[in-house]
Amino acid sequence: GAVVSQHPSRVICKSGTSVKIECRSLDFQATTMFWYRQFPKQSLMLMATSNEGSKATYEQGVEKDKFLINHASLTLSTLTVTSAHPEDSSFYICSARGQGILANYGYTFGSGTRLTVV
Amino acid sequence: AQSVTQLDSQVPVFEEAPVELRCNYSSSVSVYLFWYVQYPNQGLQLLLKYLSGSTLVKGINGFEAEFNKSQTSFHLRKPSVHISDTAEYFCAVISDTGRRALTFGSGTRLQVQP
Repeated sequence: GAVVSQHPSRVICKSGTSVKIECRSLDFQATTMFWYRQFPKQSLMLMATSNEGSKATYEQGVEKDKFLINHASLTLSTLTVTSAHPEDSSFYICSARGQGILANYGYTFGSGTRLTVV
Repeated sequence: AQSVTQLDSQVPVFEEAPVELRCNYSSSVSVYLFWYVQYPNQGLQLLLKYLSGSTLVKGINGFEAEFNKSQTSFHLRKPSVHISDTAEYFCAVISDTGRRALTFGSGTRLQVQP
């Protein structure tokens, strides 16, 4: 089946530094990837949608200069949290949608990244 | 615009009892509906989905859900739960048009007690 690998699973960084989170589709080509943010005991909120080879589309209220998304290939998307602050601490989850039959609303999620900014 | 409402934030239930987790949606166009399960500090795993056809959908781990268009509901059920079913459950929707990103409900915490 379709597998999405997300790394790192946990990261602790100092305030003001940048953190990169990777999301890879291992056995399929992901034409579209979605990045979500989840606060404790809350639902997933869509941050942005990225399509391979084009700029990401950000949701209202999400700072594109702070959350840099790159989708340079059909198997890799990255989210970089720049100049991280404690309020950026959260659980970040990626989701990938493939081509062909997988595009028929088949979404595969990564295992998530717990970011803690100290 | 589309939205999903999960009416219960927490559902405690005893092991081997039946359970229903409620989900209602709102959309001006046709929708496709999903249920996902999330274990602590993990991503989401698809339980089942409704795209078209039979309104009763069977998923993994013994779960099933019924799409009711007139009531705009997609409730999740399991006839007999196990301790291992303790997790967070999310209902999600995609509309027939638009960005094709999932919109999630607020989640229901299923707590199975021995």
